[in-house]
Amino acid sequence: DTAVSQTPKYLVTQMGNDKSIKCEQNLGHDTMYWYKQDSKKFLKIMFSYNNKELIINETVPNRFSPKSPDKAHLNLHINSLELGDSAVYFCASSQRAGGYYGYTFGSGTRLTVV
Amino acid sequence: AQSVTQLDSQVPVFEEAPVELRCNYSSSVSVYLFWYVQYPNQGLQLLLKYLSGSTLVKGINGFEAEFNKSQTSFHLRKPSVHISDTAEYFCAVRNFGNEKLTFGTGTRLTIIP
Repeated sequence: DTAVSQTPKYLVTQMGNDKSIKCEQNLGHDTMYWYKQDSKKFLKIMFSYNNKELIINETVPNRFSPKSPDKAHLNLHINSLELGDSAVYFCASSQRAGGYYGYTFGSGTRLTVV
Repeated sequence: AQSVTQLDSQVPVFEEAPVELRCNYSSSVSVYLFWYVQYPNQGLQLLLKYLSGSTLVKGINGFEAEFNKSQTSFHLRKPSVHISDTAEYFCAVRNFGNEKLTFGTGTRLTIIP
């Protein structure tokens, strides 16, 4: 019954590889997000989708490409992984109608690039 | 643009003592304010939020926060902490009409037995 679930929880990969992280929410929310948490715990928004439409696209290398097949799913694909991509990636969801009052976060995906 | 400053990166507190974690925000418009907690190796959990109305907001686990518009602050308090409160605490702000939730750099609360 997890509200926002991410897979995988841990991901260890070599530089130059391509990898994907998947996120699904069962809260009926219409907006989903990707956040990156670096080694100093700083959280920065990367992308946001509302009903499959990209609404936030921060300054992120174009090696990162989000995809939202429907409003319950948001995936993150990363090409040509670099050491600096190592971080914890959090997916979150909220509901636009009513003012985005509650953001619910997943438990994170710890990506380690070696 | 909105921003959040958490003045203390680490706060050590003795068990059963009170604690205050400080948060100041900057925004040119009205805001919504949030506190999240992150336990080790876990995701973020909402502690409490200020949307409107009473400036004193009560949250889960005995935490409360006070919105002070004149000082642009939203400090988090607990009258008596427990070992289980050891975690990273994040203050966050969102402008009216904006989808983006901006986080502070976090405060690590360490409880000393």
